[in-house]
Amino acid sequence: GAGVSQSPSNKVTEKGKDVELRCDPISGHTALYWYRQRLGQGLEFLIYFQGNSAPDKSGLPSDRFSAERTGESVSTLTIQRTQQEDSAVYLCASSNRQGYTEAFFGQGTRLTVV
Amino acid sequence: ILNVEQSPQSLHVQEGDSTNFTCSFPSSNFYALHWYRWETAKSPEALFVMTLNGDEKKKGRISATLNTKEGYSYLYIKGSQPEDSATYLCAPFMYSGGGADGLTFGKGTHLIIQP
Repeated sequence: GAGVSQSPSNKVTEKGKDVELRCDPISGHTALYWYRQRLGQGLEFLIYFQGNSAPDKSGLPSDRFSAERTGESVSTLTIQRTQQEDSAVYLCASSNRQGYTEAFFGQGTRLTVV
Repeated sequence: ILNVEQSPQSLHVQEGDSTNFTCSFPSSNFYALHWYRWETAKSPEALFVMTLNGDEKKKGRISATLNTKEGYSYLYIKGSQPEDSATYLCAPFMYSGGGADGLTFGKGTHLIIQP
């Protein structure tokens, strides 16, 4: 596709359930980022993938959060045993030269935990 | 976690006036500095990526400067228009010895242009 695609666009889940969020980066982009925006807050860094290197997971808030990316393709962010504080917009971005070029953002997934 | 400071947090400016705001970041392990514009109900869009000390970039009425030695960048908007109302985010791309730190965003400067 022409841009970064995220699915689903909206997700409502019950507390305690697992959810999986998907990000399709722009073709050829080696870098992929996940961020979270809670209500009224800024962009919180979660995880960063660069090519086949080990990802920088320093932003993942707890061990309930995990993310995978195979090569330079799709990435999935999984949240296990969701809590109400996980409610947020989850944004994915990709870029083609690590930090030297602009990142392009998807439209985000709005997650609501009830 | 990287400390990225943006100031002011919010700003009200009269239409036609010029304005500027600041991004501060650690000067060590610096790779690049990104500026993004984030409008309500949209996703952030890139304005500039700067890498060299002394870099200046310009896009229309918006320009930015970079000082990597002291760890700051300024964003300037000349002759503000209502469509400039948005949150402006900066994000340094840092690289530490243990691996890439990625793009860490500041909390942004929320700019409101008053007609």
